[in-house]
Amino acid sequence: KQEVTQIPAALSVPEGENLVLNCSFTDSAIYNLQWFRQDPGKGLTSLLLIQSSQREQTSGRLNASLDKSSGRSTLYIAASQPGDSATYLCAVTTGNQFYFGTGTSLTVIP
Amino acid sequence: GAVVSQHPSWVICKSGTSVKIECRSLDFQATTMFWYRQFPKQSLMLMATSNEGSKATYEQGVEKDKFLINHASLTLSTLTVTSAHPEDSSFYICSARKSQETQYFGPGTRLLVL
Repeated sequence: KQEVTQIPAALSVPEGENLVLNCSFTDSAIYNLQWFRQDPGKGLTSLLLIQSSQREQTSGRLNASLDKSSGRSTLYIAASQPGDSATYLCAVTTGNQFYFGTGTSLTVIP
Repeated sequence: GAVVSQHPSWVICKSGTSVKIECRSLDFQATTMFWYRQFPKQSLMLMATSNEGSKATYEQGVEKDKFLINHASLTLSTLTVTSAHPEDSSFYICSARKSQETQYFGPGTRLLVL
């Protein structure tokens, strides 16, 4: 069964710093990988979607990479802002079902 | 973009009562919807897959008689927590599949059972 792990579980950085969130998965037979943001008590906001044939996707200050063979993805956040504070979840899908990671709780200190 | 709504957004109920949560795809038809549960500081766990016009498929460890799922139309799936107990208190999130590649998530429903 697919298992998705995220490291670190929590991260606190000063405003303006660049940071990397890590996601690993055990089964490389994925359809795509998606990064989400979740604010406290709220639902999910999709940030980036990487198809299995792609290596990376970029949106604004966010860049996500995918190395399917090694079962890893990273989310790079440039010039972090206090508004980036949230929990970041990665999820892989086999086409029909999402498998979510454990999440990284990010706090950006002004 | 596609929108998925959930109602109610939060609910408080007494132990032993039943609670119904609705999940609607507002601007697209979804033959498949998914129900997730999220406990505090934990990730989302898939509870069941809901297919329009057929019985839901439950994940291992999820009681089908306790969590009743109905997907009567292409835009609506309901999750009923029957005889709710405090341990059922959680954040319930649904998603609707628009295509093979894309699912859209609802805003979630917070359930507190007293």
